Amino acid sequence: KAGVTQTPRYLIKTRGQQVTLSCSPISGHRSVSWYQQTPGQGLQFLFEYFSETQRNKGNFPGRFSGRQFSNSRSEMNVSTLELGDSALYLCASSLAPDSYGYTFGSGTRLTVV
Amino acid sequence: KNQVEQSPQSLIILEGKNCTLQCNYTVSPFSNLRWYKQDTGRGPVSLTIMTFSENTKSNGRYTATLDADTKQSSLHITASQLSDSASYICVVSGNYGGSQGNLIFGKGTKLSVKP
Repeated sequence: KAGVTQTPRYLIKTRGQQVTLSCSPISGHRSVSWYQQTPGQGLQFLFEYFSETQRNKGNFPGRFSGRQFSNSRSEMNVSTLELGDSALYLCASSLAPDSYGYTFGSGTRLTVV
Repeated sequence: KNQVEQSPQSLIILEGKNCTLQCNYTVSPFSNLRWYKQDTGRGPVSLTIMTFSENTKSNGRYTATLDADTKQSSLHITASQLSDSASYICVVSGNYGGSQGNLIFGKGTKLSVKP
């Protein structure tokens, strides 16, 4: 059974650019959440999608956005990149938006220069 | 304010030794507490999950304890191995059946096991 797949694994972007990250959940999982992880702040919740609808959003600026497709795959987009956006971006999937049974992907390491 | 505090921030131990990591939380209401192991550059992997009625849960050489009265949890690693070198993250859920946005994450303890 394939796990949560995030692409790309590594990304280097320049300040001001935009970036799109992809997350393919475990087959059958319909809920996808995104997190930003930095050494100083730890894991911080970005947003959660279920059945193509955003159910919850963390305290991040509007430059961070996401969406979910009918096959449950999800993308997140960051526009006008800043140096502080450099982080490991993780997604987690679960059957439904509950507190059990969520599995993390390996993440996308974004470096903004 | 809902918070999860972990200690120590970092720890170095010799291979074969035991260690205990601490997690204190102020999350209320409380649904469950999970310990994750995260290798460098990888996503977190669940080690144990406990509801408030459970006070011990084991997974191989990892044993987690929970005291819901004092809102404290610990993760004990027995006979450490080099592969135990990782960050260990405590995650508390305040709302069963709710959103993953209700998860409160600790900042983790970085464990280094030396030969």
